[in-house]
Amino acid sequence: KAGVTQTPRYLIKTRGQQVTLSCSPISGHRSVSWYQQTPGQGLQFLFEYFSETQRNKGNFPGRFSGRQFSNSRSEMNVSTLELGDSALYLCASSLSLAGEETQYFGPGTRLLVL
Amino acid sequence: AQTVTQSQPEMSVQEAETVTLSCTYDTSESDYYLFWYKQPPSRQMILVIRQEAYKQQNATENRFSVNFQKAAKSFSLKISDSQLGDAAMYFCAYRIPGTSYGKLTFGQGTILTVHP
Repeated sequence: KAGVTQTPRYLIKTRGQQVTLSCSPISGHRSVSWYQQTPGQGLQFLFEYFSETQRNKGNFPGRFSGRQFSNSRSEMNVSTLELGDSALYLCASSLSLAGEETQYFGPGTRLLVL
Repeated sequence: AQTVTQSQPEMSVQEAETVTLSCTYDTSESDYYLFWYKQPPSRQMILVIRQEAYKQQNATENRFSVNFQKAAKSFSLKISDSQLGDAAMYFCAYRIPGTSYGKLTFGQGTILTVHP
């Protein structure tokens, strides 16, 4: 079974631009979560989607948004990019929302904001 | 709020030796799940092992095992017969069922170096 895929793998943007990252979960998985990883803040939870609805959200400004499609694929969008948004963005999928479900991660998208 | 602490920023081990990575967490919940993830230089997060808090038996996966001390809120990872491929950043993570759903709370990570 194919793992979680994320596109693009690398991205360079300039301040003020917006960016969209994509995540395709493992087949059959319906929950998708997004995390931001930076050297200073470590791994931080952004949001989670299940059945096309945002179920949980981390402490990030409204410039960070996401959505989930009927096939469980998810996108996250960052508008008005700031230098501090440079990070590795990780997507993880799980079968359901249940806490006992293990999350499986994709390879990440490395975003550099200049 | 739940917190996860990994007090060892870096650890090193000789190939074929055993190493233990430490993790403590703070929670008022009685039901939760604990995980160790490995992140090699490729940056892909790979699940190493998981532990359910209601299980007293420590989880094992081949060369990887945990020492789960619920009362002490401690969850250490032991890697036996270390291999060069074990070199990576290791993250301890915590998750509770219920309204927090997908949120994993991670520790700061421990960089493990394996010497040949």
